[in-house]
Amino acid sequence: DTGVSQDPRHKITKRGQNVTFRCDPISEHNRLYWYRQTLGQGPEFLTYFQNEAQLEKSRLLSDRFSAERPKGSFSTLEIQRTEQGDSAMYLCASSPATSGRMGNEQFFGPGTRLTVL
Amino acid sequence: GEDVEQSLFLSVREGDSSVINCTYTDSSSTYLYWYKQEPGAGLQLLTYIFSNMDMKQDQRLTVLLNKKDKHLSLRIADTQTGDSAIYFCATRAGGYNKLIFGAGTRLAVHP
Repeated sequence: DTGVSQDPRHKITKRGQNVTFRCDPISEHNRLYWYRQTLGQGPEFLTYFQNEAQLEKSRLLSDRFSAERPKGSFSTLEIQRTEQGDSAMYLCASSPATSGRMGNEQFFGPGTRLTVL
Repeated sequence: GEDVEQSLFLSVREGDSSVINCTYTDSSSTYLYWYKQEPGAGLQLLTYIFSNMDMKQDQRLTVLLNKKDKHLSLRIADTQTGDSAIYFCATRAGGYNKLIFGAGTRLAVHP
């Protein structure tokens, strides 16, 4: 399967712990995005990378959140000192550099569901 | 700010047409998308429309765009039980990469 993959699929943690999620984009895609989706809502944009450069960050991304894409391939999203309000589905997406027939389609991974107890 | 609104729920009979509506506020939206999300699965892009188009048809799917009213709709012809899912409308402004999503419309198809 050559789609976007995310690991782990589920994570349960206690409040105050740190968690890290990984995203592997489609191999030829140089753009990578992180979104957060809470129950009953649509995904909300968190951050965007072009290659290894983090070009945009949402104000939703507090100081406890950090994302990296060190070699321009996979990306990690770390949440420090987790809070119950961080419980959500964290979605990763990737897209190619140039606009294709699908209007620069973003391909989504299956997501990592985080539960903070 | 940017906002995308959708009705939350739609119930249709198998074989009928479904129409899911969406309104948005950002007049600079260049691309408008419809995504489908099934339980436990990621988001799947169904179709998109560029802002200079009024209509786009793709097999059973028809997208209508009223740019003046900032209204987008998705019509699914001959709706099947496999179409049961949550449908998200999303917009993207030109030059920006982030997508702005609505809250999703849950489509239930019954016999």
